[in-house]
Amino acid sequence: SQQGEEDPQALSIQEGENATMNCSYKTSINNLQWYRQNSGRGLVHLILIRSNEREKHSGRLRVTLDTSKKSSSLLITASRAADTASYFCATDARDDKIIFGKGTRLHILP
Amino acid sequence: DTAVSQTPKYLVTQMGNDKSIKCEQNLGHDTMYWYKQDSKKFLKIMFSYNNKELIINETVPNRFSPKSPDKAHLNLHINSLELGDSAVYFCASSQGAGFDEQFFGPGTRLTVL
Repeated sequence: SQQGEEDPQALSIQEGENATMNCSYKTSINNLQWYRQNSGRGLVHLILIRSNEREKHSGRLRVTLDTSKKSSSLLITASRAADTASYFCATDARDDKIIFGKGTRLHILP
Repeated sequence: DTAVSQTPKYLVTQMGNDKSIKCEQNLGHDTMYWYKQDSKKFLKIMFSYNNKELIINETVPNRFSPKSPDKAHLNLHINSLELGDSAVYFCASSQGAGFDEQFFGPGTRLTVL
């Protein structure tokens, strides 16, 4: 079964607002990554957070990790049109395999 | 310079044909991957090679055969194509074989008619 599940499946917000996406997973992890995929493109790595970290920032991105709840969130502040994309969380499952969730489709409205 | 490149970008073919997709990375990475992304955007790993050695081989029909002639290349050959093989196939690479950041190619959209 799938390790990571993003929520919501789709999200539409006005430009300038903050966007929050969540990822829940089932088994213990060592690390969690977030990726972005623009339409028709490959995935681009955004941020990696380790199991002993609770929060990490990168520019307008803020990622949190709650290992007790087996969940992570990705916050994009002051959203821009260019942030329109699908966002995936990825976790390390058994044997160091990376498993991707189904993604959240984010649409930034002008 | 493109870090991870794939050819072709689009591939339209008839059922039963054999086709190949090529992937090259110029990042000096040790590990390369093939993923399949279906119409619902679900991304699933198919194979992984580390230093030309197969390390991940998920439950994939044996019609799919990866080949790594060297560390910088990982090609995917598909025999007897079926309608269900239609998807976008992504190649990726990473420095190590663990949970390293992966760099993805632009994808190959395969359509089987």
